[in-house]
Amino acid sequence: GDSVTQMEGPVTLSEEAFLTINCTYTATGYPSLFWYVQYPGEGLQLLLKATKADDKGSNKGFEATYRKETTSFHLEKGSVQVSDSAVYFCALRNTGNQFYFGTGTSLTVIP
Amino acid sequence: NAGVTQTPKFQVLKTGQSMTLQCAQDMNHNSMYWYRQDPGMGLRLIYYSASEGTTDKGEVPNGYNVSRLNKREFSLRLESAAPSQTSVYFCASSEYTTRNTEAFFGQGTRLTVV
Repeated sequence: GDSVTQMEGPVTLSEEAFLTINCTYTATGYPSLFWYVQYPGEGLQLLLKATKADDKGSNKGFEATYRKETTSFHLEKGSVQVSDSAVYFCALRNTGNQFYFGTGTSLTVIP
Repeated sequence: NAGVTQTPKFQVLKTGQSMTLQCAQDMNHNSMYWYRQDPGMGLRLIYYSASEGTTDKGEVPNGYNVSRLNKREFSLRLESAAPSQTSVYFCASSEYTTRNTEAFFGQGTRLTVV
């Protein structure tokens, strides 16, 4: 079945450090890919998305590129801030319009 | 902009009690979903409704039932609550026909079964 595997956490970084959170997927057909962010006590919010191979999604300094050959969608940010502390989820939407999520990666950024 | 609204936000049940979690969306989306979120396990799909009048089981449907009352509303019922159902429950919706449309989430219901 379809699934998403993402880097285990928690991740702790100093402010202005570089961030990478790895995500790979398994899917039949051609999924759309997403990164969501969850702040404490809240629901999930879309961070960025990509719908075809080599598409790059970007938002708020975060980027991820849809790599079909490696079935990956790694999240990156060049310089993290304290306000980026949250849980990040990689997700896919399959051709049946169902969404599958990774287990989440908790990020803490310290000043 | 209401988006996806879930009620209640918090609930404590005793083992064996029943309850219904309510969800409504005002974005005219066809598809709606119920997920549960548990530590270390991410979000797991409980039930899915592609459109009004249809429902399908997800990964973890046992112990739950759903009703797609109309296009706006999708409820989740626990007939006889068990401690294993202690979790945070999220409702979501999306537009079926557009490939690049994301799922929109409610704020969640934190359920404790004692």
